[in-house]
Amino acid sequence: QKEVEQDPGPLSVPEGAIVSLNCTYSNSAFQYFMWYRQYSRKGPELLMYTYSSGNKEDGRFTAQVDKSSKYISLFIRDSQPSDSATYLCAIDTGRRALTFGSGTRLQVQP
Amino acid sequence: SQTIHQWPATLVQPVGSPLSLECTVEGTSNPNLYWYRQAAGRGLQLLFYSVGIGQISSEVPQNLSASRPQDRQFILSSKKLLLSDSGFYLCAWTRGTVSGNTIYFGEGSWLTVV
Repeated sequence: QKEVEQDPGPLSVPEGAIVSLNCTYSNSAFQYFMWYRQYSRKGPELLMYTYSSGNKEDGRFTAQVDKSSKYISLFIRDSQPSDSATYLCAIDTGRRALTFGSGTRLQVQP
Repeated sequence: SQTIHQWPATLVQPVGSPLSLECTVEGTSNPNLYWYRQAAGRGLQLLFYSVGIGQISSEVPQNLSASRPQDRQFILSSKKLLLSDSGFYLCAWTRGTVSGNTIYFGEGSWLTVV
């Protein structure tokens, strides 16, 4: 079983829709969870960072961790065409570097 | 503030040719440095990481090598490129250990081996 699994999409939604992006992970001991956004042909940039369980909100973005289900989510409200990108979840698995999901490609149609 | 520079941004190299990608970090000292590769439609694969000058750890056996000649400089090299080396290469850094620290990426280098 992979440590982090992420639906690759692509996911296409109309402008203004609520977007839900998800990852599952294998080890309930993991505590640090991150979401990165990657525009085409660019390096990933940190979007959200959460520790342990619960929700964290930043503008139109909400990151949610459900440790009982080993499930992390990123919600985007009122999605915009500028949100079109690949979204990668990342987890600190206790090794030297973060473990990344494979990324979900999102397309927001105007 | 900290910044990370990576170059070249794009390169097309013939099979069997050498490779050198360079990365520098500004605004911090003794960072942990990483090289990742991202193949088309796939996730990020960690290639090398370094916790200090001359200290390189390899995550996967391959045709590539890395060096850290200075505290904030990280170089990815190959003596003879293979077609399978094509991909998007990303340099990244963290401050100290990864736990609780986020990782910051450069802009990436697109390598096409022909």
